[in-house]
Amino acid sequence: DSGVTQTPKHLITATGQRVTLRCSPRSGDLSVYWYQQSLDQGLQFLIQYYNGEERAKGNILERFSAQQFPDLHSELNLSSLELGDSALYFCASSARGVGNEQYFGPGTRLTVT
Amino acid sequence: QKEVEQDPGPLSVPEGAIVSLNCTYSNSAFQYFMWYRQYSRKGPELLMYTYSSGNKEDGRFTAQVDKSSKYISLFIRDSQPSDSATYLCAMKTGGGADGLTFGKGTHLIIQP
Repeated sequence: DSGVTQTPKHLITATGQRVTLRCSPRSGDLSVYWYQQSLDQGLQFLIQYYNGEERAKGNILERFSAQQFPDLHSELNLSSLELGDSALYFCASSARGVGNEQYFGPGTRLTVT
Repeated sequence: QKEVEQDPGPLSVPEGAIVSLNCTYSNSAFQYFMWYRQYSRKGPELLMYTYSSGNKEDGRFTAQVDKSSKYISLFIRDSQPSDSATYLCAMKTGGGADGLTFGKGTHLIIQP
């Protein structure tokens, strides 16, 4: 158990809908990262937050957004969902902003029908 | 050309064998190198973390980095059936904030 928690475990929704994924980092970690894992693309970095502020952006679509709250939990919002958004979404945390050692949560499996 | 290349396998070896897993990369700015293990439908688990070139050993696992060849390896000694999983290499440039760049993973099967 990495200490990173994610909810929900599974999510099934329809195209065009909006969903919110939630992540709580390990105790004491200030950085949260979001990743998407699909069969064809593998694990891809989406976005990083450090102590409430956006720190780095990866291959995140404009339909996706995230935020980190004062208690350091983070939410990833996915809107106007398409079939291709079906994937595993992972959250990871690290102690500092540089994030060389990242610890992953169990993931949320999103299915868009 | 992808930034990080990793043979997807599957790689099947008998129990007790030494396993060698490898990645090559193209971005010479990568300075931090990690290996993650991922069981089916679970989150990646950090196994090894190394900085720059050299070797690092932790129990049955040894990580090697050769920056001149842009090549990293993970060796598993005395392999066990419980080592059967997908092994992902990951890399990061130095200094600033950024996410990890992953290989697509090698599926390893240890036969009892």
